[in-house]
Amino acid sequence: GENVEQHPSTLSVQEGDSAVIKCTYSDSASNYFPWYKQELGKGPQLIIDIRSNVGEKKDQRIAVTLNKTAKHFSLHITETQPEDSAVYFCAASKTASKLTFGTGTRLQVTL
Amino acid sequence: NAGVTQTPKFQVLKTGQSMTLQCAQDMNHNSMYWYRQDPGMGLRLIYYSASEGTTDKGEVPNGYNVSRLNKREFSLRLESAAPSQTSVYFCASTWTGKQETQYFGPGTRLLVL
Repeated sequence: GENVEQHPSTLSVQEGDSAVIKCTYSDSASNYFPWYKQELGKGPQLIIDIRSNVGEKKDQRIAVTLNKTAKHFSLHITETQPEDSAVYFCAASKTASKLTFGTGTRLQVTL
Repeated sequence: NAGVTQTPKFQVLKTGQSMTLQCAQDMNHNSMYWYRQDPGMGLRLIYYSASEGTTDKGEVPNGYNVSRLNKREFSLRLESAAPSQTSVYFCASTWTGKQETQYFGPGTRLLVL
């Protein structure tokens, strides 16, 4: 089955700096890659996703890049703010039914 | 529109006790999922249901049973709880046949002593 590895497990940045979280996947048939943000005590919430026919996608301060050849994708957050502090999960899917999640990155944005 | 709701929010069980976690969604989604979240292990799929009347095993189904009661509701049952089932449980839903956003509930925190 699919295996998704996520790095780093924790990340601390100063407010205003950029943050990058990286994921690799094992199944070359995977074609959908969402990113979820989980705030303390809440369920994960989708923040951005990308499909295999696209190399990059942006939404304001958030961007995701995908390298199908290398089987990795990354989340980029620019101009970080304290409210960006959360746990971020990447995931990969090759079917409409099931997502395989990475192990999560705890992002801390310090003042 | 409440989205995905879960009950209870928190539960303490003794080893061997049984309980059912409830999940309901009001978004007319076909597919529903149960995940468990453990520190350092991300979200792991326990069971899912692609439509009313169907259920399939995920990555970690042992020790659990599910029921898709109707299109809105999907319950998770622990027949004989074990300390290894201490975890946070999330229900999610989405539309079948598309790779679309999975919407998650707020979670149930379960402690098995």
